[in-house]
Parts: sequence; structure tokens; C-alpha cells
Amino acid sequence: GENVEQHPSTLSVQEGDSAVIKCTYSDSASNYFPWYKQELGKRPQLIIDIRSNVGEKKDQRIAVTLNKTAKHFSLHITETQPEDSAVYFCAASIEYGQNFVFGPGTRLSVLP
Amino acid sequence: DTEVTQTPKHLVMGMTNKKSLKCEQHMGHRAMYWYKQKAKKPPELMFVYSYEKLSINESVPSRFSPECPNSSLLNLHLHALQPEDSALYLCASSPRQGAMNTEAFFGQGTRLTVV
Repeated sequence: GENVEQHPSTLSVQEGDSAVIKCTYSDSASNYFPWYKQELGKRPQLIIDIRSNVGEKKDQRIAVTLNKTAKHFSLHITETQPEDSAVYFCAASIEYGQNFVFGPGTRLSVLP
Repeated sequence: DTEVTQTPKHLVMGMTNKKSLKCEQHMGHRAMYWYKQKAKKPPELMFVYSYEKLSINESVPSRFSPECPNSSLLNLHLHALQPEDSALYLCASSPRQGAMNTEAFFGQGTRLTVV
């Protein structure tokens, strides 16, 4: 079955700096890769996603890149703000699959 | 309405109690999910309902019993739980099963404590 690894497990950056979180997946059939942000005590919320027919996607300060050959994808957050502090989960899904598999999460702290 | 609503938000129950968690969505989604999330861990899938029928049970103990009365509602009945079952229980929905490759919406969760 699919296995998703995520690094780093914790990340601290200064406000205004960029943050990068990397994930790798094992199943080459996976073709949908969402990123969820979960603030303490709150629900996971989708912040960006990418499909296998696209190499990069941007939404304001957030971007995701996908390398299907290497089976890895990354989340990039620019001009970080304190409100970006949260746990970020990557995930991978197979089209027509039953579920998606989450990575173990990255705790991002943006220091003022 | 892009909300998945879960009740209650918090629940404390004894090991001999019977309680139910409720989840509701009005987005016309036909796939609904129960996840369990322990502290500092990712959500773990428990059950999937597709078109009101149970399609996945991830080897969950029988003390957890899901129910989908209609396309908008999902329940999780709890009985004889153990302290290690304490966790955040998340409900999610997506347009259809196999469409976790489209946006899935999560509820706020029920924080369950078993004493």
C-alpha cells in the first residue's frame, strides 16, 4: 500500500522567511496530492492540492511542486506570518481509490 | 454551505457508557468518513460510507459502530470503550468515494475522553 513520508517533523522560521516541507510517496499510481493545515484544536483544512498532470501550483504565498519521477512533492510558504504556525499534513491519493494516506505531519512555528 | 458539523464538540464517558457522535453535511456529498486522530499524529481512517453503504472498515473494534441514516448524516455509536480510545474523532465528506482526489471537508471533530 501507499506510504507517505514527510520532513522535517518540526520547522521554525523567522517571520517573513520562507518555509519548505517535503513529502515522498511510494505508490506510483498516486495522482492527487493535497496539503492540509491543522491549527491546535481545530479541523484539518485543505490549503492547496496538486494533480499528477501538473508540476507546480501557486496560490498567493503558497505553492506546491510535484516531481512524479522522483515521487516527491513539496509545500513552499513565502513571507511567513505568525498565523501560518500550525501542523501541516501532506497526503497522497490514487484516482478512484478509497482513501488518501497522510504523512506524519510537520509542526511549523513562525517566530515574530 | 461548505460545512461539516459534528456534535458534541467534547465528550467524557465512562467505560460502561453508551454514547453517539453525530456528523452532518448539506453539500450533497455522497461519501462520508470517520477518522481517529491521536495527539501529534495524522488522522487515521476508521470507516467509509459511500452512497449510505459501508464500504470500508479499517479493522476497527466492534465497540465502534457506524451508521449512516441518510445521505446527510453519519453517526458513530460508542460502547464499552477503553481509555486508549480517547482521541479526536473527525468526520469528513467528499463528493463521492474514490473522489478523495477532490476536496474533502473535515468537521471540527469531537474530543473524546474515556475515563
